[in-house]
Amino acid sequence: EVRLVESGGGLVKPGGSLRLSCEASGFTFSDYTMNWVRQTPGKGLEWVSSMDYGGTYVFYADSVKGRFTISRDNAKNSLYLYMISLRPDDTAVYYCARDGAAMITDFWGQGTLVTVSS
Amino acid sequence: DIVMTQSPDSLAVSLGERATINCKSSHSILYSSNNKNFLSWYQHKSGQPPKLLISWASARESGVPDRFSGSGSGTNFTLSISSLQVEDVAIYYCQQYFRTPRTFGQGTKVEI
Repeated sequence: EVRLVESGGGLVKPGGSLRLSCEASGFTFSDYTMNWVRQTPGKGLEWVSSMDYGGTYVFYADSVKGRFTISRDNAKNSLYLYMISLRPDDTAVYYCARDGAAMITDFWGQGTLVTVSS
Repeated sequence: DIVMTQSPDSLAVSLGERATINCKSSHSILYSSNNKNFLSWYQHKSGQPPKLLISWASARESGVPDRFSGSGSGTNFTLSISSLQVEDVAIYYCQQYFRTPRTFGQGTKVEI
């Protein structure tokens, strides 16, 4: 069974930092491109960042470029998102999600809530 | 960026009736080399992660009931639920994966 379990969310002050983790199981993690996608309160889904299976190709949404860093440890079946200079509009549920074939995001974790507030 | 626009924003449908959601992209997401539309549909129920229903605009995922169908090409797409069930209450999103950043529609809330 494919499982993605996010952790690391919480309450942080504006300007603060946070690291999210996603632990994968049930599939060969090192074969898949992985993503972070967020859902902001009252709004919809926003793709945040992607990293290919080997960590070579990395992409970010303009809204987080320069502030967020995606990384992975294939030996630990884990994906990470390091977030700095957090702003109130970064408040969201952050999902770890797997790409199947051709960048189709086919499986999502349960999400972790990040709240940026003073 | 490719902008995805869904209509309507919300929809109330009687049990057993058809629900139709439209999705329009600001740029064609049809790849001419393979004649495939790079569009997915997701179902997002409260408190759950999004679930992939349809990819390539019309290919239903394994296990998805056949009352869900996708159609369209180029810039105009439709998700139809032929006979709405209670468990179909959710927000539905289209997403293009033709170009990075992969963008979603704003979502359509389907209610009974």
